[in-house]
Amino acid sequence: AQTVTQSQPEMSVQEAETVTLSCTYDTSENNYYLFWYKQPPSRQMILVIRQEAYKQQNATENRFSVNFQKAAKSFSLKISDSQLGDTAMYFCAFMKPGGGADGLTFGKGTHLIIQP
Amino acid sequence: DTEVTQTPKHLVMGMTNKKSLKCEQHMGHRAMYWYKQKAKKPPELMFVYSYEKLSINESVPSRFSPECPNSSLLNLHLHALQPEDSALYLCASSQDLASGRGNEQFFGPGTRLTVL
Repeated sequence: AQTVTQSQPEMSVQEAETVTLSCTYDTSENNYYLFWYKQPPSRQMILVIRQEAYKQQNATENRFSVNFQKAAKSFSLKISDSQLGDTAMYFCAFMKPGGGADGLTFGKGTHLIIQP
Repeated sequence: DTEVTQTPKHLVMGMTNKKSLKCEQHMGHRAMYWYKQKAKKPPELMFVYSYEKLSINESVPSRFSPECPNSSLLNLHLHALQPEDSALYLCASSQDLASGRGNEQFFGPGTRLTVL
């Protein structure tokens, strides 16, 4: 079974700062998919970024980028120039090579607060 | 249209009531999911449908009964629920259950269920 660990229950930074959320996972699979989802107080879960394990290049989406270290089984999310709208719960998630057959395995989440 | 819709947004029901949650997507996705999310916790997978057939039932009590009438609709029928079933119920969809690009899950806004 896969496990996903997010060791930071809550983080708080000032607006415009850069923040990094950590995520580690455990799996015996070689190919898999990793995701970061954002859930604002309005509760809609939104996909922020995805990474395929067979790709060495780190994924980026505008101000969001990941540091994917496959050997270390680490998948951190960096948010640059943080904005008030980035305040949300952030979940790291794992998907097995079979795709969605087992759904997503989520970490416990990190509550990120952006202070004005 | 990249939206998953859920109705109702809020639902309050007694333990003897029968109610249904509804989820709809028009992205042509063939896999749909029900998740249960307690406050400040990650979503937990309940059911997975693939091509209108139940693929995964994560040992969910029979008081929860899923139904997939067609490829765009997913229902969750509720009967004789307990107060501990109060939670946010999230619906999600993906292209299918296979691996590869495009297998990310799109989530609806959820139904906030309170059982009295």
